[in-house]
Amino acid sequence: GQQLNQSPQSMFIQEGEDVSMNCTSSSIFNTWLWYKQDPGEGPVLLIALYKAGELTSNGRLTAQFGITRKDSFLNISASIPSDVGIYFCAGQRSGGSNYKLTFGKGTLLTVNP
Amino acid sequence: DVKVTQSSRYLVKRTGEKVFLECVQDMDHENMFWYRQDPGLGLRLIYFSYDVKMKEKGDIPEGYSVSREKKERFSLILESASTNQTSMYLCASSFLLTGRAGNTIYFGEGSWLTVV
Repeated sequence: GQQLNQSPQSMFIQEGEDVSMNCTSSSIFNTWLWYKQDPGEGPVLLIALYKAGELTSNGRLTAQFGITRKDSFLNISASIPSDVGIYFCAGQRSGGSNYKLTFGKGTLLTVNP
Repeated sequence: DVKVTQSSRYLVKRTGEKVFLECVQDMDHENMFWYRQDPGLGLRLIYFSYDVKMKEKGDIPEGYSVSREKKERFSLILESASTNQTSMYLCASSFLLTGRAGNTIYFGEGSWLTVV
């Protein structure tokens, strides 16, 4: 199955720094979702985006649905050690099997205290 | 809060054994999914179900089967476990409806399966 291009694959940053990651696709999506997975746990939904151009925040996290509907980014401001984990983007198209998501391969974030 | 519960967090099975992974959700979701997660490969869909007794193959169904006898329960079955099925297995669920409610998938905590 098709996967999204998520970058970077990994990041190693200092506590307090801002973080940015993004996902791109050759196909249009109607929904973008961002998940975080802590080590040994299942992914947890962070932000859901439903409209092109939409900018949504959840605490220190901000995500945007790209205007072209082919990309999305996630920013984390003032990172803290508990931000460590794998961040996944997921996109969904309309029609057909509209409940199936396409996932990126994840961005592994390490925060150095 | 939505809760997706996977019955076993850690399992060790022998090659050739039949393995059952159970998943229960408490939000009356129509859709349920089984994914496997491997380093460098991300999340790959094995099977999904949009109604009781209904199932559809995902991207990697070979070597797996599923059962959905009740709406809240979705089981993944490895008929004859092999070492290449050592992985983390994630169950998920969502509403069937399109739009905001249907687009959000909730995951369980995962089941780590080791086949020796």
